[in-house]
Amino acid sequence: DVKVTQSSRYLVKRTGEKVFLECVQDMDHENMFWYRQDPGLGLRLIYFSYDVKMKEKGDIPEGYSVSREKKERFSLILESASTNQTSMYLCASRRVGSGESPLHFGNGTRLTVT
Amino acid sequence: AQSVAQPEDQVNVAEGNPLTVKCTYSVSGNPYLFWYVQYPNRGLQFLLKYITGDNLVKGSYGFEAEFNKSQTSFHLKKPSALVSDSALYFCAVRDRRAAGGGNKLTFGTGTQLKVEL
Repeated sequence: DVKVTQSSRYLVKRTGEKVFLECVQDMDHENMFWYRQDPGLGLRLIYFSYDVKMKEKGDIPEGYSVSREKKERFSLILESASTNQTSMYLCASRRVGSGESPLHFGNGTRLTVT
Repeated sequence: AQSVAQPEDQVNVAEGNPLTVKCTYSVSGNPYLFWYVQYPNRGLQFLLKYITGDNLVKGSYGFEAEFNKSQTSFHLKKPSALVSDSALYFCAVRDRRAAGGGNKLTFGTGTQLKVEL
């Protein structure tokens, strides 16, 4: 079974701090994604990565950056955390191949910025 | 551009009754369509997908969904609801013609399903 692990379930940070959210998948998936989930807004894509060292902006990349140095790990970086980045962050991965394979999600990191 | 609408924030059903969670979509071309479920404090889990072929798709836990191209809908259904089906359900779409690789899904805002005894 695919496992996507997010390093923290809950995180509390102060405004202006640099924040790292880590995600690791164990199935050699090429694609990885970072979403944020907010009530009434559903899931919104922040960044995604086709493969190692490749990244592309999603729908709401402002205030975020990402890093994918190894295939299994995809990091989301909040350069200077702000209160409007308080949210649930979900990482996902997907195998590229024949057919349209689904996303596999981690359990999420609930980030609070004070 | 692609979009998904889930018109109901919450659906309440009695256990044993059939349930429907509605989803409509908009894409330029033909869609890939998905349903995911989220239990409290968990990530999303894949339920089922429509790629091509039969308009009625069967998925996990007895759920099914019907693709209707003329109505641009992909409603999630189950003949007999269980209390354990109570969760947050998300519909998602991707345009088959979308360029750029990856799997840039667009999600709906979610529908909370509550199944009561």
